[in-house]
Parts: sequence; C-alpha cells; structure tokens
Amino acid sequence: EAQVTQNPRYLITVTGKKLTVTCSQNMNHEYMSWYRQDPGLGLRQIYYSMNVEVTDKGDVPEGYKVSRKEKRNFPLILESPSPNQTSLYFCASSGTGAGEKLFFGSGTQLSVL
Amino acid sequence: GEDVEQSLFLSVREGDSSVINCTYTDSSSTYLYWYKQEPGAGLQLLTYIFSNMDMKQDQRLTVLLNKKDKHLSLRIADTQTGDSAIYFCAEENNNDMRFGAGTRLTVKP
Repeated sequence: EAQVTQNPRYLITVTGKKLTVTCSQNMNHEYMSWYRQDPGLGLRQIYYSMNVEVTDKGDVPEGYKVSRKEKRNFPLILESPSPNQTSLYFCASSGTGAGEKLFFGSGTQLSVL
Repeated sequence: GEDVEQSLFLSVREGDSSVINCTYTDSSSTYLYWYKQEPGAGLQLLTYIFSNMDMKQDQRLTVLLNKKDKHLSLRIADTQTGDSAIYFCAEENNNDMRFGAGTRLTVKP
C-alpha cells in the first residue's frame, strides 16, 4: 500500500532534549516536505527536499534540521526543542511531474514542556 | 509574503449544500487544491483544479475558480455528517505549496 509513515504519532518531551521524528515513503517520490499545523495558522512549511542530498528551507525553518540521505527517508530533527515547537507535524511526499499530488502522513503530535 | 485565506468555521444542516471559500494572492499558482482532515488523521486530497480551468465537478464536489479575483470555492452537495472535518485550501507554484488555516465544517443532523 502506498503510504507516508511518520513516527511517533505522539511525543511528549522536555525543553532542550534532542528528538527526531521519522518520515518514510514507499512511492519512490523525489519530493518530501515537513509542515507544522497550528490553530488559526494552517499548515506552514518547515523544510523540503527535491531529491537526495537536496534540502531547502520553507517558511518556518528556525529550530529545525532535516536530512535526506536516502530517497525514502526524510527525518525532522529538533536539536534543542522549545515549548513554541509544540505543534502537530505532517510529513508529505510527491513526485515532481506536472500535477503530482502531495501524500501526507498521519501526523505527529509533539508537546514540549 | 503570499497568503491563502479561509474563514475558520462553517455550520450547515444535513442535506444542505456547503460552500467553503478561499482567497489566494499568488497569481502564478499552477494548481489549487482542497484537502480534508478528519479528527486524528492526516490530510486527504479531495480534489484539485488547474489554474486555467474555471470549474471542476467530481460527484458531490464542485470547485469554482475565479482567477481574476483569486477566489476558489468548494461546494459540497447534499452534505452528510461524515463530511464534518477541516477543509484546507492550498495553492501550488513550482512545488512550493501554501495552505490556508482550514475551515472547520460542522454538519448538524
């Protein structure tokens, strides 16, 4: 089954403790992206990647890192999480042809205390 | 920066039509999308329209695009309780996607 898999679904952590949210897709998609969803703000793009070893900042990259060592994986890294990074995070992937659609993961609810 | 705007709430009665509106500012958007998010779930692509189209119909869903006014709408005919969800409008330009804040649709029996 074609899917984007994020882990974990829920995570509670404390300020400053490094964490990684994993994202994996099985559709051989070139494009992958991370978003955060906050009430009243919708989805905002954190980082995206057009292909292996190619990553770019989105609208709200501060406090986040990503890597794209393999095509299928695009982990989101918070080196020193802060409470303002408490949010619902979505990973997405797509091909890069005209009209390709974004496929989303189920989301990771992160709480930073 | 470029913005996508939607009203945050809409409430309708079961069986009525729902119309969710969206405005965007990037005139060079190539595709415009509607996504549905049910409680506790990710986003599901509902439908999309290419920017050179005015209308697209897909079963109970009708998308209208007014490119001059940069206005996009989603009409759901015969709205059901299962349509209760948050609906996100999104615009795409060269793989750069921007989303609205989402419209929470509540369908009352």
